[in-house]
Amino acid sequence: AQTVTQSQPEMSVQEAETVTLSCTYDTSESNYYLFWYKQPPSRQMILVIRQEAYKQQNATENRFSVNFQKAAKSFSLKISDSQLGDTAMYFCAFDLIQGAQKLVFGQGTRLTINP
Amino acid sequence: GAVVSQHPSRVICKSGTSVKIECRSLDFQATTMFWYRQFPKQSLMLMATSNEGSKATYEQGVEKDKFLINHASLTLSTLTVTSAHPEDSSFYICSARGTGNGELFFGEGSRLTVL
Repeated sequence: AQTVTQSQPEMSVQEAETVTLSCTYDTSESNYYLFWYKQPPSRQMILVIRQEAYKQQNATENRFSVNFQKAAKSFSLKISDSQLGDTAMYFCAFDLIQGAQKLVFGQGTRLTINP
Repeated sequence: GAVVSQHPSRVICKSGTSVKIECRSLDFQATTMFWYRQFPKQSLMLMATSNEGSKATYEQGVEKDKFLINHASLTLSTLTVTSAHPEDSSFYICSARGTGNGELFFGEGSRLTVL
């Protein structure tokens, strides 16, 4: 079974600062996806970024980038030039590419961006 | 982009009644849908995987007779909470997997309050 661990329940930074959210996972599989989802107060889940495990290059989406360390099973999210609208719960998630595909979420990190 | 719609967004019911929540994929056919439950300030916990035309697969600890799932078409899955009790009060979220690259799309969620 796959597990995802987020060890930072809460984080808080000033607007325009850079913040890194941590995520580790455990799996015996070699082909999988990793995701970061954002859940703002509206509770709508929003995909922030996705990483395919077979790709060595770290995924980036504008101000969001990941540091994917496959051997260490680590998948951190870096948010650059943070904005007030980035305030939300952030969930790291794991999904197999084939087989029993079902998204497994970490516990979440509540991120607050202060003005 | 692809849209998944949940209805109702909020529902309040009396203890002992049954409540049905709908999850629709609006512009794509969803081969698989998932139902999650989220308690306040916690992560999403997968309840069951719903496949069109077949029985749902429930996660360990989820009562299938309590949480009835029906996936009658490629665009609609329903979750019925039978004989609801106050402990069933929660936020329920569905997601649908498209037939393309298998990306998951989330509904807006449904908040159930059982009095």
